[in-house]
Amino acid sequence: QVQLQESGPGLVKPSETLSLTCTVSRGSISNYYWTWLRQPPGKGLEWIGYISNSGGTKYKPSLKSRVTLSVDTSKNQFSLKLSSVTAADTAVYYCARGVYDLAPPDYWSQGILVTVSS
Amino acid sequence: QSVLTQPPSVSAAPGQKVTISCSGSSSNIGNNYVSWYQQVPGTAPKLLIYENDKRPSGIPDRFSGSKSGTSATLGITGLQTGDEADYYCGTWDSSLNINWVFGGGTKLTVL
Repeated sequence: QVQLQESGPGLVKPSETLSLTCTVSRGSISNYYWTWLRQPPGKGLEWIGYISNSGGTKYKPSLKSRVTLSVDTSKNQFSLKLSSVTAADTAVYYCARGVYDLAPPDYWSQGILVTVSS
Repeated sequence: QSVLTQPPSVSAAPGQKVTISCSGSSSNIGNNYVSWYQQVPGTAPKLLIYENDKRPSGIPDRFSGSKSGTSATLGITGLQTGDEADYYCGTWDSSLNINWVFGGGTKLTVL
């Protein structure tokens, strides 16, 4: 079955840009929708947005001005950039797959904790 | 405050049945499919139910989902200690720009 693995720094300074990459293995990145979500420590889940393999995107409205999603089909990877981070962006970040644009994320990564701190 | 409302916690004894509610509005549950996730502490969420009442391959039929109007319900029968986890409902919301929303989560304790 498909596997997803995030990579990126676990510590980001306030006002800087958080950058994460998700590598898809045991499956193709084509014909699916690739989602980013996060979960602040001790809190609930939050959807950030998705990108299709062709580059179409949809973002959570409150994050839209700071989020950029991209996909690299040649590497079977997709990426998240979140700019101007604050302590409120400290969370476990997950990448996940959707089988179509309105499908719920089915396969999830294990999650990576990103802490925003100076 | 979450767009979808769930009870913070529920509890039941092993072998018993429990239900978890998820309340929304016409801009989300009322006009979209509902999904349910199980999250054991320290692990990633796992999809339990999609399209209101469908189970992905490998999910036992002890787990069931239903929807009526602007509310949805997750049912778990034959409770096991391994079911102790946080459960989240989720769906699309189109009140402003369409985006995916979750409930605040419900902690299930198997006594």
